[in-house]
This record gives sequence, C-alpha cells and structure tokens, in this order.
Amino acid sequence: NAGVMQNPRHLVRRRGQEARLRCSPMKGHSHVYWYRQLPEEGLKFMVYLQKENIIDESGMPKERFSAEFPKEGPSILRIQQVVRGDSAAYFCASSLLAGTGANVLTFGAGSRLTVL
Amino acid sequence: QQPVQSPQAVILREGEDAVINCSSSKALYSVHWYRQKHGDAPVFLMILLKGGEQKGHDKISASFNEKKQQSSLYLTASQLSYSGTYFCGTETLSNTGNQFYFGTGTSLTVIP
Repeated sequence: NAGVMQNPRHLVRRRGQEARLRCSPMKGHSHVYWYRQLPEEGLKFMVYLQKENIIDESGMPKERFSAEFPKEGPSILRIQQVVRGDSAAYFCASSLLAGTGANVLTFGAGSRLTVL
Repeated sequence: QQPVQSPQAVILREGEDAVINCSSSKALYSVHWYRQKHGDAPVFLMILLKGGEQKGHDKISASFNEKKQQSSLYLTASQLSYSGTYFCGTETLSNTGNQFYFGTGTSLTVIP
C-alpha cells in the first residue's frame, strides 16, 4: 500500500516557465492538502481539495498558482511564469475522512522546485 | 490562522528534557504533532482530540488544553534520534471540511 507519491522530486525551471507538481494520495484518501516550505521555515498552507472540488484555497497566491484534483488521476499544483521566489519544497498530504477528528495527514516526500 | 510555536530552537544534551509549546487563536478540534528530519516528509507523532487529553509513547508525550487552545509536547530523557524539526498542526472544522495549519516549527538538536 504505497504512501503519498509526489513527482517530480526535484524540478528546475527558468524564470517564466511553468511548473507542474503531481501528488497521488494514499489509496482510499479523498482529501488532499498542499503546503509550501521555504528553507528553515514552517509548512505554509496553500490549498485543500477533495475530488473535483477546491475546498479552501485561501493560502494560495491569487495569480500564477492553481490546483486541481480530478476525478481520475493525481492532484496537480501548477505554477505559471515561475519567479525565483517560488523556489521551495512543496509538500502534499492526504487524509481519509473529514469531520471525524481522526484525520491524520500523511505526507509525501515533497517536490523541490528551483527557479534559475 | 497559523499556530504559534515556541521555542524556535532548542539544543539538548542526551538525557535532558524539553517542552515545545503550541498555541492558536482559533477554536481547535484537534492538535497534531509531526517531526521532520533533514527536509524529508513530516512524520506523524500523535493526535490529541479532547480538551485536557494527554497522550504519549515511549518518552514523548503531549497535552491539549482545549479551553486555552494550547498544546505542549514533552520530550523526556532525550535521545540523539529525537533531533529534527517539530511541528504542531491544528485542525479546525468548518462547513466545507477540515482545515489544517502548521506552526513555524521548533528545531530540536540533541548532542551527545
């Protein structure tokens, strides 16, 4: 039973290019969360999705960033026209249930984006 | 919405104790504690659900004061393997789902 799978693990882009980060949640998990982590800093919430729905995107920049979690396939975090400040580790986490109080998040290994 | 953790960093000698605190300005449904090593995936340690609940395994335990919206993580008789960055995660419920926010982290270094 594979855990949360993220790819690519490392991604290098030049300024102005697009970055696509993918996250396959644990089997049976229908809730996905994306977090950004700068070096030596905490996990900053970006977006919370369920299948085909964005539940909370309050942590995501209004421009250039978008996320989706289609009915089939992985969740995707898309960053258009990347800038150097987008360089960070992006972690995805998934959970099984909502509202039960037993909502443990399982994290993927992260995708490390470097913008040249 | 992001919980506040303290201290930011702590250095311990093996066998010493440490306490990491976490507080939130929002009403919490639960508090989670995670540990991250070397920038790898954060690993779940424990979840606390009820006000006043305490939990623990091995020499790591935690408490949750629901009324004060605070949680503390206790590490006793620390071991080298405890080194890492500890994050508290706060869970709040809304009509649309559960929201998780993480604190800024506490870097713990255990030295021989």
